[in-house]
Amino acid sequence: TQLLEQSPQFLSIQEGENLTVYCNSSSVFSSLQWYRQEPGEGPVLLVTVVTGGEVKKLKRLTFQFGDARKDSSLHITAAQPGDTGLYLCAGDRNSGYALNFGKGTSLLVTP
Amino acid sequence: GAGVSQSPSNKVTEKGKDVELRCDPISGHTALYWYRQSLGQGLEFLIYFQGNSAPDKSGLPSDRFSAERTGGSVSTLTIQRTQQEDSAVYLCASSLHRGGTGELFFGEGSRLTVL
Repeated sequence: TQLLEQSPQFLSIQEGENLTVYCNSSSVFSSLQWYRQEPGEGPVLLVTVVTGGEVKKLKRLTFQFGDARKDSSLHITAAQPGDTGLYLCAGDRNSGYALNFGKGTSLLVTP
Repeated sequence: GAGVSQSPSNKVTEKGKDVELRCDPISGHTALYWYRQSLGQGLEFLIYFQGNSAPDKSGLPSDRFSAERTGGSVSTLTIQRTQQEDSAVYLCASSLHRGGTGELFFGEGSRLTVL
């Protein structure tokens, strides 16, 4: 059972375009994290959101946590080739010890 | 080093052999996690350590998988009688403390190929 569903699974865009990726669940999370993973490396934390409705910005990246704390989105403005990678969301239900990861969105930004 | 270190980075083995994967977490991090990542898949949780004990090992897929942690530091994941479906990247992560708001620091992973 996949607790966190990410969409789209793959995304190929040109430099300068905007995009949004989604992370959805039927479960409520006490917090949600977004990680980015590049080939041959481990995931690296981008942001943690903890409050329903919370919006966080990291340069050209905007993260939003849903009001009901069941979903999240990541919006990238004017994508750059350096944004290429696998974007993973991870939720903590506070009912156990493991962060539940989605399958990820693989983003390719071409010049 | 300053980051999480995993070894070996690549391991090719024959079906039926045993393998050991090692993780050196960041010094002072009490929480340690093992995840498995197959092609096209997200991260599958295997086991969590707090200090030397493993309060959550619910993700270990079978009794061929085991893990230990000693001295509150180094952890070893052992896979006995490897099968082809065990082929994946095994990622280790450490965290200063357990909790969803705590950042997980990942190693680069150990890529296991079972022929």
